[in-house]
This record gives sequence, C-alpha cells and structure tokens, in this order.
Amino acid sequence: GAGVSQSPRYKVAKRGQDVALRCDPISGHVSLFWYQQALGQGPEFLTYFQNEAQLDKSGLPSDRFFAERPEGSVSTLKIQRTQQEDSAVYLCASSLLVGATNTGELFFGEGSRLTVL
Amino acid sequence: QKEVEQNSGPLSVPEGAIASLNCTYSDRVSQSFFWYRQYSGKSPELIMSIYSNGDKEDGRFTAQLNKASQYVSLLIRDSQPSDSATYLCAVIGGGYNKLIFGAGTRLAVHP
Repeated sequence: GAGVSQSPRYKVAKRGQDVALRCDPISGHVSLFWYQQALGQGPEFLTYFQNEAQLDKSGLPSDRFFAERPEGSVSTLKIQRTQQEDSAVYLCASSLLVGATNTGELFFGEGSRLTVL
Repeated sequence: QKEVEQNSGPLSVPEGAIASLNCTYSDRVSQSFFWYRQYSGKSPELIMSIYSNGDKEDGRFTAQLNKASQYVSLLIRDSQPSDSATYLCAVIGGGYNKLIFGAGTRLAVHP
C-alpha cells in the first residue's frame, strides 16, 4: 500500500496477556519509529530502527516492551504481561532517510489502540 | 520540565477568527521545529516546519519562531470548523533525529 499500515487497529487484552502489534512501513523507508500516545497526550517516543538495527530504545518504559524489525521492513512491538497503564494508542511512523531529518516529516500509521482490562 | 510544553486547551475560536497556538521548548540547541495536526482518532500529519527566527507563511497558516525566547507559535487565519483538531508542536531532539512532541493543544472552531 501507499501508506504506513498497522494492525490490529484495536486490541483488548486482559491484564497479564501478551500482545503483538504490527507495523508495515512505506516501502523503502529506512527509518521506523514507535510512539505511545496516551489519551489526551502527545506521542511519546518508544524506539527507533534504522533498517534492521534498533539504534535507540531509550523510550521503552520497561523490559516488558520489546520491538524488532528483522528484515528492515515490517516491525513488531511486543508487550508482555500487559498492565492497565499500557492502555494507549501505539503509533508507528516511517521516514525515507535517517531519523526524522531536518524536514521533520514522519509518515504515521493509523495506530493500534490497546485497551488492557 | 517537559522538553516541549503546550497549553492543552481547548482553545475555542469563532469561525473566521485567528487562532493562536503556542509552544515552548527547553533545549537551546534545537534547530528544527514542526507543527502537526491530529484529528480525533486519526494519526498526526505535518502541516508546518520552521528553522529560522521570524515568520513563515503557508496559506492560512503562519509559524513563528523566536529562538532567544525558545518559543514557537502557529497562527491560523480565517479559522474554519474543519480546522478543529489537536495541534502538536514537535522538535527534533536526542539521538537519531527523533521527533519530541508536546502534549498538544485542542482547537475548536465554532460556526
């Protein structure tokens, strides 16, 4: 497709369950970011991939969060033993070049809304 | 102190008025500043970027930057109901040119 695709769009999990969120970036985009957006807040940085290399994971809130991009295209964000505070929209964004560059243009997917009961 | 601060709003303006959205940032070395618009339930989209002190105009939108005061603003002239959205201020910061966002200001334009 032409844009960034994320799935599932909505996920309801019971506390303690593991979840996996998928991001399919724009073809050929080098950079891939994951952000977490809580209700009424701006997106908070989680992690950054340049091709298959995870170069920055400073925003991951705990070791229950894990992300991978093994072939430099599709990425998966996994959350183990989900907690209620993990409820948020998880946004994936990609850009053609390294990082957001000075154009600041990240192409965002529609997000995966996670609700933990 | 958060790196990017915005008033959460809501900012309510009548149709046709000028909406003024403000943002401050903490990192003095920041060079690149952006405004993203996010409709309810949708993903953010880039609407303006600014790199130099002063004003930058694009249609009904004007971005203003004052690096000495560490202040960025967005003016929307002739506001329309379709402009009702959350406006996110963002700067490039940290390693790997990641975007750091403020909490966003919700704008409501009423007919």
